[in-house]
Amino acid sequence: EPEVTQTPSHQVTQMGQEVILRCVPISNHLYFYWYRQILGQKVEFLVSFYNNEISEKSEIFDDQFSVERPDGSNFTLKIRSTKLEDSAMYFCASILRGTATGELFFGEGSRLTVL
Amino acid sequence: GNSVTQMEGPVTLSEEAFLTINCTYTATGYPSLFWYVQYPGEGLQLLLKATKADDKGSNKGFEATYRKETTSFHLEKGSVQVSDSAVYFCALRSTGNQFYFGTGTSLTVIP
Repeated sequence: EPEVTQTPSHQVTQMGQEVILRCVPISNHLYFYWYRQILGQKVEFLVSFYNNEISEKSEIFDDQFSVERPDGSNFTLKIRSTKLEDSAMYFCASILRGTATGELFFGEGSRLTVL
Repeated sequence: GNSVTQMEGPVTLSEEAFLTINCTYTATGYPSLFWYVQYPGEGLQLLLKATKADDKGSNKGFEATYRKETTSFHLEKGSVQVSDSAVYFCALRSTGNQFYFGTGTSLTVIP
């Protein structure tokens, strides 16, 4: 069964460093998302991406965050200068093209620890 | 606007007990409704879904019915197992491509 894959599974970084989290969505999916979850709490929307541009973003997704799809498969989330409060699980997700009622498919997540 | 309100946890049940986790929603239009499950250390997996009023989603013994009149999508299971211990998230998909999640309900089932 096709799945969303994320790398790295865990990254430890120093405050102020740049981090790039990578995702490979399912191949025939067209909408891509990043969510984060702090300490097993609620799932917070960061950004959605469609047709090579941001579709929607939340208040959390400030100038420190960026997303891009550098090639036909990868979808990346970059945090330019990490803060302690960026420590969280980051989940990539995607939805199938052309479905108005379909579900999100989630990756296993990337745990980011900022020291 | 769109939002999901989910029963606060944590919930602790004995094995074979009946489970209900309440979920109500506010939405414009006709959303699709979902229950996701997150096992410890893992990502979110779809448990079940319903795409229109009166639909019942079911999977692994869990059920939820899309009730438009009460704007609810409560999750139920007749007899829980230890392996059902997880966090459960109710979610809706608006008529666009935006998803809204509840805060999650942690379930622990003890033998």
